[in-house]
Amino acid sequence: QVQLQQSGAELAKPGSSVKISCKASGYTFTSYAMHWIKQTTGQALEWTGYIAPGSGGTKYNEKFKGKATLTVDKSSSTAYMQLSSLTPVDTAVYYCARGGIRGDNWFAYWGQGTLVTVSS
Amino acid sequence: DVVMTQTPPSLSVAIGQSVSISCKSSQSLVASDKNTYLNWLLQSPGRSPKRLIYQVSKLDSGVPDRFSGSGSEKDFTLKISRVEAEDLGVYYCLQGTHLPYTFGAGTKLELK
Repeated sequence: QVQLQQSGAELAKPGSSVKISCKASGYTFTSYAMHWIKQTTGQALEWTGYIAPGSGGTKYNEKFKGKATLTVDKSSSTAYMQLSSLTPVDTAVYYCARGGIRGDNWFAYWGQGTLVTVSS
Repeated sequence: DVVMTQTPPSLSVAIGQSVSISCKSSQSLVASDKNTYLNWLLQSPGRSPKRLIYQVSKLDSGVPDRFSGSGSEKDFTLKISRVEAEDLGVYYCLQGTHLPYTFGAGTKLELK
C-alpha cells in the first residue's frame, strides 16, 4: 500500500535552515510528482510546490520561491524540502502529498506531517 | 491566484442531520482538457488531510455514499447526509486547475 513517511519534528533558530524528508513506499517513486503543503496553526493550507522525481523538475508557488527547495533521492525513494532563512512565520506543519495526473491519484495520499518550529 | 471562498466557517450539527458546505472560486475551474479539478478533503482532529471527493463529484474509494459533491464553473457544494461522529473535523476544498493550487479556508464541523 502507498505510504509516505515523514521525518520528525524540528526546532530551529531564526536565520537557520531545516531539511525535512518524505520517504515513499508501495509504488514506483519516479512515476508520481511529490507535492508539499504548509499548514499554519490557524489551519490554513498553502501549496508550496512540487517535484517530479523522475526528471527532478520542480514547480514552486511564487510565494515560496527562495524559501523552499525541493529535491529527491531516487535511490531511497525519498523527497526532501529544505526551508532556508527561517523566521517565526515559517512555523507550521509541512505535509508531503503524492501527485500524478489530476484525477483519481492526485493528492490521494498524504504523509503524517512534520512540525517545524522556529524559535530563538 | 485563485481564491477559494468556503462557507460557513463552522457548522454545529446533530448526529443524523444533513449539512452542506459551499466553495466558490474566483475563476472558473474548468481546465483546458474540459475537466474540473475541484477536490474536497477532510482533516479529522490530529490527522493529515484525507481526500474524499475529486473532480467535483467522484468519491474516493471507501468514502461513504452519504457524501456527495456537486457544482460547476465557480460554484461547488459538498453535502453530507446523515452526519456520523466520524465525519467531524475540518473540510477543505482544493482547486487543481490553476497554478498555484489553492485551498479554501476550511469549514469546521462540530457536534451540537
